[in-house]
Amino acid sequence: DQQVKQNSPSLSVQEGRISILNCDYTNSMFDYFLWYKKYPAEGPTFLISISSIKDKNEDGRFTVFLNKSAKHLSLHIVPSQPGDSAVYFCAASAGDDYKLSFGAGTTVTVRA
Amino acid sequence: NAGVTQTPKFRVLKTGQSMTLLCAQDMNHEYMYWYRQDPGMGLRLIHYSVGEGTTAKGEVPDGYNVSRLKKQNFLLGLESAAPSQTSVYFCASSYSWGGELFFGEGSRLTVL
Repeated sequence: DQQVKQNSPSLSVQEGRISILNCDYTNSMFDYFLWYKKYPAEGPTFLISISSIKDKNEDGRFTVFLNKSAKHLSLHIVPSQPGDSAVYFCAASAGDDYKLSFGAGTTVTVRA
Repeated sequence: NAGVTQTPKFRVLKTGQSMTLLCAQDMNHEYMYWYRQDPGMGLRLIHYSVGEGTTAKGEVPDGYNVSRLKKQNFLLGLESAAPSQTSVYFCASSYSWGGELFFGEGSRLTVL
């Protein structure tokens, strides 16, 4: 049973607009959340993370929001650029068990 | 900077054949991991290692074996391949337990 769910397999957004990617989790023990980005024929690369003691973390155009009560996090990309077209994976870990649980991924396409 | 290198990149096997995927990292990382990626399933951890000479089971270990004889190498073996093992396999490494994962480019395995 998947503990991290990305219910939108794909997202299409116009260049310059905001991309919002959503992720839900079921394990209340998760306390560290990450987003990885993957281009075709490449391995995933780390993008941004957030600890459960925070509700927001920002890094340039990328912001991750965490809503612990709803067990939901989102990734905002503003403004979206063509180079952001990729698959984005949400991942989570719990306490000292640092093994990551990954979502199925969301494919983002940024239209010119 | 090679980072994490996986060989081979592609392989086609017949049911019952055996093979080994090699992962090599040049970052002196202690921790290494093998994941598989399947459509709609995200990345699932097969086995991992917390140091040279150690291995541990992940989420989906059945049908696979691993070895970490040298710190820089992590081998994933399939003794008797099955069609259910058709997947893209990713190796990753990290400096610390819970640290950022660095992934290889992936190995696409097809079992007929």
